[in-house]
Amino acid sequence: DIQMTQSPSSLSASVGDRVTITCQASQDISNYLNWYQQKPGKAPKLLIYDASNLETGVPSRFSGSGSGTDFTFTISSLQPEDIATYYCQQYDNLPRYTFGQGTKLEIK
Amino acid sequence: QVQLQESGPGLVKPSGTLSLTCAVSGGSISSSNWWSWVRQPPGKGLEWIGEIYHSGSTNYNPSLKSRVTISVDKSKNQFSLKLSSVTAADTAVYYCARGSSVVVRAGWFDPWGQGTLVTVSS
Repeated sequence: DIQMTQSPSSLSASVGDRVTITCQASQDISNYLNWYQQKPGKAPKLLIYDASNLETGVPSRFSGSGSGTDFTFTISSLQPEDIATYYCQQYDNLPRYTFGQGTKLEIK
Repeated sequence: QVQLQESGPGLVKPSGTLSLTCAVSGGSISSSNWWSWVRQPPGKGLEWIGEIYHSGSTNYNPSLKSRVTISVDKSKNQFSLKLSSVTAADTAVYYCARGSSVVVRAGWFDPWGQGTLVTVSS
């Protein structure tokens, strides 16, 4: 199975900061990598698909990049409403889907 | 737009069978998408359980395959999950979600239901 390793597991940043989360796959997954935001008590929400495509309606301060085994998720200017846990998810070897362990983002 | 809503018992006894249903509204379950179940133990990450296509074809997570059955009811525009021989480790929030497309390679989950907590306890 393909393993997804996210880092860091938790992160504290100030409003306005640039925030970066990384996700590493245990093998080449091309660009078959998605990012979700999960706020407390809520279902995950798709933000980025296929590594770098912004889902409709998602603010442009969110972005994604990478291919192969190394991926990056960035918030260009952290807002208070961005407090959440963020997950990466791969789908290279359909029909197997695996998620990263999550990165909990807090306001400093 | 498509909305999903999970329903089912919130408490299941150990060794029993967990049964949940996901009602799809605002769209047809016979669209060109797979329909998935994902779970999240309290305070932990997300785990894909399995998926079904409206034809009845299914795919399951190998780690749960021996205990999982997913079925579809096109007349009611819903799909269901059964997980047998449950233990406390199966306590989780269970989500249903629209998944992969069969038209293009698109393996993400969107939208999701609100989730339902199922506790396994005597």
